[in-house]
Amino acid sequence: GAVVSQHPSRVICKSGTSVKIECRSLDFQATTMFWYRQFPKQSLMLMATSNEGSKATYEQGVEKDKFLINHASLTLSTLTVTSAHPEDSSFYICSAREALPRDTQYFGPGTRLTVL
Amino acid sequence: KQEVTQIPAALSVPEGENLVLNCSFTDSAIYNLQWFRQDPGKGLTSLLLIQSSQREQTSGRLNASLDKSSGRSTLYIAASQPGDSATYLCAITSNTGNQFYFGTGTSLTVIP
Repeated sequence: GAVVSQHPSRVICKSGTSVKIECRSLDFQATTMFWYRQFPKQSLMLMATSNEGSKATYEQGVEKDKFLINHASLTLSTLTVTSAHPEDSSFYICSAREALPRDTQYFGPGTRLTVL
Repeated sequence: KQEVTQIPAALSVPEGENLVLNCSFTDSAIYNLQWFRQDPGKGLTSLLLIQSSQREQTSGRLNASLDKSSGRSTLYIAASQPGDSATYLCAITSNTGNQFYFGTGTSLTVIP
């Protein structure tokens, strides 16, 4: 099946710094990618939908100026957590939508962000 | 907005038992339903995908059913093994195919 990678898998940063997470579809083109976050022992919550070449659509309650999403190519979307704070510590997972042959989402392995 | 609920939240069974995980959703206008497995601190592994026109899918010891009219899906695991211990998530793809709604998850522990 299709593969989605995320980099880095784990990152620790100081409060106030910015962190960039990459999501790549390795063997297919993804016009749409999705970003989720997951707090401990909770389910995944959709943060935003990223469409190649256009602005991302953010879910209610997600600050677009804090979580910057760029989908510059059909195989790469990036999430930048700006001025990170300890409450931003979470597990971030991306997914990429493959339209053909069957409309399916493939998930990345996730990125564990810890803000000190 | 679609709401997806999973019951039970946690389940502990002895090895060898058959078990059923439940998923319910509020909007029957779905594109498909997918069951995932998530190990602690790891990403998602897709187990089974049921298209809206299908009623069930099987893979090995796993069988997933879908009843759109009642807004329910079940994941049946036969002859459970300790390696099945994980969190199981169901997820609905909306009719537009653009959104994924995750359930609350069931944490399964299979005791050797």
